[in-house]
Order: sequence, then C-alpha cells, then structure tokens
Amino acid sequence: DGGITQSPKYLFRKEGQNVTLSCEQNLNHDAMYWYRQDPGQGLRLIYYSQIVNDFQKGDIAEGYSVSREKKESFPLTVTSAQKNPTAFYLCASSIVTRAEAFFGQGTRLTVV
Amino acid sequence: ILNVEQSPQSLHVQEGDSTNFTCSFPSSNFYALHWYRWETAKSPEALFVMTLNGDEKKKGRISATLNTKEGYSYLYIKGSQPEDSATYLCALSNSGYALNFGKGTSLLVTP
Repeated sequence: DGGITQSPKYLFRKEGQNVTLSCEQNLNHDAMYWYRQDPGQGLRLIYYSQIVNDFQKGDIAEGYSVSREKKESFPLTVTSAQKNPTAFYLCASSIVTRAEAFFGQGTRLTVV
Repeated sequence: ILNVEQSPQSLHVQEGDSTNFTCSFPSSNFYALHWYRWETAKSPEALFVMTLNGDEKKKGRISATLNTKEGYSYLYIKGSQPEDSATYLCALSNSGYALNFGKGTSLLVTP
C-alpha cells in the first residue's frame, strides 16, 4: 500500500533533550513537509523540501532541524532550543509543492 | 505567510441540513486553493484542488466554488450526514511554496 508513515505515534521527551520524528513515504513524491498543530491553531509549516538534499524553512522553523538525504525520508529533529515543543506534528508529501498533499497519521510529542 | 481565514470556526447542524463554509485569502499571488477533510483520529484527506477563477468542483454531496478575483472559496455540503462530521481545512499555495492552512471549520452533524 502506498502512503506516508510517521513514527512514533506518541513521544515523550525530557526538557533539554533532542528528539527525532520519523516520516517515510513510498508515493514517489518529490515534495515533503512538516506541520505543527496546537490547540485552536491551524497547521503551521515548520520545514519543507521540494527535492532530495534541499529544504527550506517554513513559518516556525526555529528550534527544529530536518534532513532530506533520501527521497522517501524527511525526519524532523526537535532540538532543546525549541521553547514549547509539546504539540501534534504532521508530515505530508505531494508530487510537487502546489499539488494535493497526502498526510501521515501524526506524532503527538509531549515534553515532561 | 499567506493569510487564510476560515469561517465559521465551528458549526453544528442537524442531519439533512445543507451547510456551507467560507475560505478567504489574499487575491494577489494566487496559485491554487485546496480543501481537506480531517476526521478525528485520521489523517487529513484532500477534497478539492482548484486553480481557475470560477472553478466549481463536486464530489458526491460536497461541492466547492472559487473566486480568485475577490479572494474567497465556498464549500457546500448538501443534506449533511453524521459521517460528514469533521474539520474542514482550506489551504492556499503559491508557486514553489508549501501549503498555507487556515484554522479550519469544525462541523458536527447530529442525527
């Protein structure tokens, strides 16, 4: 089955630790994205990548880092510099940036 | 940041009612307008992608229209059913940039 897989579904992190969220797709899509959702907010763009080995900051990139070494994978690292990391994180992909996006199931990150 | 506004924030209708939501966006620099449905415990799913002024799209009981000159899109649901309960997201893209989402309209349809 083609789709996007995010793992883990739930993640707990101690303050001061870095943590990496996984996102894998087998749709052969060039573009991939990371969004964050907080209560009462829409989906806010963290980072996106239009092609392998290239990525751009979104609206709220501070405290996050990404890599795009393979077409299928776009991991997101939440660093200790992210002041308020507790949120729901969604990964998505599309053929190109303007096309219909396909989403993963999300990862809920909680800082304890 | 492309400012995408959705209204109303939430809506509660009875089964069988027809309803509609609005998505407003800056009319300049437009490329494509997307509608997604996000059901609880599932991933958002695309309903429509529209690019041309005057576009109308339909999928079953759900339809959407687009006015790029005045910067709005309407989503209509005819004869709402409980399974239509979800958050409906509008998103805008311009060339070479990722989708910019509104906060969504949360729809609850009760029997």
